[in-house]
Amino acid sequence: QVQLQESGPGLVEPSGTLSLTCGVSGASISNYWSWVRQPPGEGLEWIGQIHHSGSTSYKPSLKSRVTMSVDKSKNHFSLNLSSVTAADTAVYYCVRHGGRSFDLWGRGTLVTVSS
Amino acid sequence: QSALTQPASVSGSPGQAITISCTGTSSDVGNDNDVSWYQQHPGKAPKLMIYAVSNRPSDVSNRFSGSKSGNTASLTISGLQAEDEADYYCSSYTNSISYVFGTGTKVTVL
Repeated sequence: QVQLQESGPGLVEPSGTLSLTCGVSGASISNYWSWVRQPPGEGLEWIGQIHHSGSTSYKPSLKSRVTMSVDKSKNHFSLNLSSVTAADTAVYYCVRHGGRSFDLWGRGTLVTVSS
Repeated sequence: QSALTQPASVSGSPGQAITISCTGTSSDVGNDNDVSWYQQHPGKAPKLMIYAVSNRPSDVSNRFSGSKSGNTASLTISGLQAEDEADYYCSSYTNSISYVFGTGTKVTVL
């Protein structure tokens, strides 16, 4: 049974960097993976994707602040979002691609930006 | 890259059929057959319900169906049940190697 598990700090200070990791268990990291976030009470927002080869594609409006990476030896991939503000407060999900859809989601982790 | 447009809410009585629309542009929904739909219950992660416009994963009820015409995709839930009450989001791959979600629709079973 394939599972995804997000991990990282639940509180980040304004202007700091949000760093999350998604551990993949029960399957190889050989796939496309994305990060999706959801501010409290709001809709879903795609942040970007990474292929196991390391190639990436980011949402244009976030591109200047986003970096994604993959560690095949640890079977996990990561998200860094810099210069965060309160608007970045959200539940962050890591997601597996099934073709051009998202067929497996992690449980999500709430990250709050506050001093 | 604007969010796809969905109605804020749709409601129906048990047993009825409802349809949720998802309107985009020729750069996303109308570009190819890469529209998917997700169900999200409160406090839970989204779940894939439809992929590639009209295909159902094996664990999804056949009461859920999808279609597309031009720049608008639709999700139909037939034989509405209490457990279908949730938020629903569409998503589309775009011609700029990115994805965009819909604004979300709250389905209420009366």
